Amino acid sequence: DAGITQSPRHKVTETGTPVTLRCHQTENHRYMYWYRQDPGHGLRLIHYSYGVKDTDKGEVSDGYSVSRSKTEDFLLTLESATSSQTSVYFCAISEWAIRNQPQHFGDGTRLSIL
Amino acid sequence: AQSVTQLDSHVSVSEGTPVLLRCNYSSSYSPSLFWYVQHPNKGLQLLLKYTSAATLVKGINGFEAEFKKSETSFHLTKPSAHMSDAAEYFCVVSEGRGSGGYQKVTFGTGTKLQVIP
Repeated sequence: DAGITQSPRHKVTETGTPVTLRCHQTENHRYMYWYRQDPGHGLRLIHYSYGVKDTDKGEVSDGYSVSRSKTEDFLLTLESATSSQTSVYFCAISEWAIRNQPQHFGDGTRLSIL
Repeated sequence: AQSVTQLDSHVSVSEGTPVLLRCNYSSSYSPSLFWYVQHPNKGLQLLLKYTSAATLVKGINGFEAEFKKSETSFHLTKPSAHMSDAAEYFCVVSEGRGSGGYQKVTFGTGTKLQVIP
């Protein structure tokens, strides 16, 4: 299995509080992705990174920010959490951004916002 | 634009009987296609991938899928279901580099497979 660790694995917090999720990889892959998984929607891309300090928005980026200061770490921040951000969040990595390159996933963070 | 449709949200089979999970895709290019499996409270694990070589692709745990361009389908099959196959399965299409320079992939909404003893 690809060396991807997400932390925390579970978190419960209140509306309006900041939340940071961490993804750590040991594969030295260039590309890292944050997705959210919601019933009936599959996985949707929030933000991605194509190198240290190089990030960009995905399809559902509103309310989220990211940072990547080291190759191995990709942080997802909810500046002021809302109940609509209750979801399961997955980090993924890939070595190249080409069509036949599969992405490899962490085990997810289950986030509940009350 | 690319899209993926998983035709069944739930499939129930008896242990030892064949499994068929259906996936149709739409793509403007020659895509790559993947199947992933997700067990409860776990991430997505790659089962198999099609990348324009052989149209019949074999994956892990006895699963295989056949790419049919004329039908725009990539159905997942297994001859005999095991209890351990109970999970959610995702069909994924990738056209490659999107406008932002990342690998644009689109996920289906998933099929939950139940295996009855």
